Amino acid sequence: NAGVTQTPKFRVLKTGQSMTLLCAQDMNHEYMYWYRQDPGMGLRLIHYSVGEGTTAKGEVPDGYNVSRLKKQNFLLGLESAAPSQTSVYFCATMLDAGSYEQYFGPGTRLTVT
Amino acid sequence: GENVEQHPSTLSVQEGDSAVIKCTYSDSASNYFPWYKQELGKRPQLIIDIRSNVGEKKDQRIAVTLNKTAKHFSLHITETQPEDSAVYFCAASKAGGGNKLTFGTGTQLKVEL
Repeated sequence: NAGVTQTPKFRVLKTGQSMTLLCAQDMNHEYMYWYRQDPGMGLRLIHYSVGEGTTAKGEVPDGYNVSRLKKQNFLLGLESAAPSQTSVYFCATMLDAGSYEQYFGPGTRLTVT
Repeated sequence: GENVEQHPSTLSVQEGDSAVIKCTYSDSASNYFPWYKQELGKRPQLIIDIRSNVGEKKDQRIAVTLNKTAKHFSLHITETQPEDSAVYFCAASKAGGGNKLTFGTGTQLKVEL
């Protein structure tokens, strides 16, 4: 029972490169979220999903795309990375609409040079 | 949308003293208020939460109070220990629309020997 996992743990990109971050969960949770964490700014919601096949924008969605083709996976894509996207990215999951507690993954540290 | 403000940004206390962190929120419909602890390089971990139908909740040395009229809530840590040193985040959420969490900007708590 791994809970929430994120791949990769670290990544360095050059400006303009693309990449995909993977969040996987084995808790059968319906809801999944992607956050970014920057110094002094807390966690900000990028995109979220309330179930397989659904996605919605959060507070800071520009420059990112997401997909939830399978219930257990939530992918975050950067099509053309920019230095402003240097951050720590956290995935979180929640059981369903009647729940509130979110469970966080270990994070991915991304540096864009 | 919801706006959560958190104070202070840094807090230094002597071991054994109490620590208090305060948050205010803007959306009167918010009904769930969690507190997360994040150690350096780790994921946020839920330490306590409170629903809007409760004014106070306590778990050993940690307590949270909620004032719905004033739209503020606070985290109280008594008999602080060095292992309490971490960054603490408050958040607010309401039902619907993905039960999204809006986070405060965090408080760096340092417990000195």
